[in-house]
Amino acid sequence: NAGVTQTPKFRILKIGQSMTLQCTQDMNHNYMYWYRQDPGMGLKLIYYSVGAGITDKGEVPNGYNVSRSTTEDFPLRLELAAPSQTSVYFCASIPSGTGELFFGEGSRLTVL
Amino acid sequence: DQQVKQNSPSLSVQEGRISILNCDYTNSMFDYFLWYKKYPAEGPTFLISISSIKDKNEDGRFTVFLNKSAKHLSLHIVPSQPGDSAVYFCAASDRGSQGNLIFGKGTKLSVKP
Repeated sequence: NAGVTQTPKFRILKIGQSMTLQCTQDMNHNYMYWYRQDPGMGLKLIYYSVGAGITDKGEVPNGYNVSRSTTEDFPLRLELAAPSQTSVYFCASIPSGTGELFFGEGSRLTVL
Repeated sequence: DQQVKQNSPSLSVQEGRISILNCDYTNSMFDYFLWYKKYPAEGPTFLISISSIKDKNEDGRFTVFLNKSAKHLSLHIVPSQPGDSAVYFCAASDRGSQGNLIFGKGTKLSVKP
């Protein structure tokens, strides 16, 4: 029972590089989310999706892009990595629009 | 402008005693509140929740209290165990938020044997 799976777990990027954080869930959840957590801070919402083909911005979307072509997958794209994007990224999902989110284990990204 | 505030960054408690973690919120539209527990290098895991129509919810050693007039909620852990040592996040949402949660900064609980 995998739940929410994120890859990679760790990554170091140089300024200006691009990469995609992968997130997949096997619970057939419609809603998926990307959060970031900076040291000593709470989680902040980057983007979310209420179903395949539908995405929307959260609180801190600048510098990121997402897509949702299937119910299972919700990748997060960083186009031009900046040091300010050094953070731990969490993907989460939920069956519908209310209730508790199920989180992945996180992806730690460092931009140097 | 923090909508969910956890003003205590850390809390240390003796094993067997009660742990009380506090959370304040400013948005009166919030109608659902949750507590998450997070160990290092892991994702947050759901602990307990409460709807705004209730003032208390209990699950084993964990109880959440909601005081809507004060816009305050608290998590009680009784008795505290060393395995409870983790960071606890308070989170809130409202019906129109599409499930988006607003998180506090977290409180690091240390339970000493």
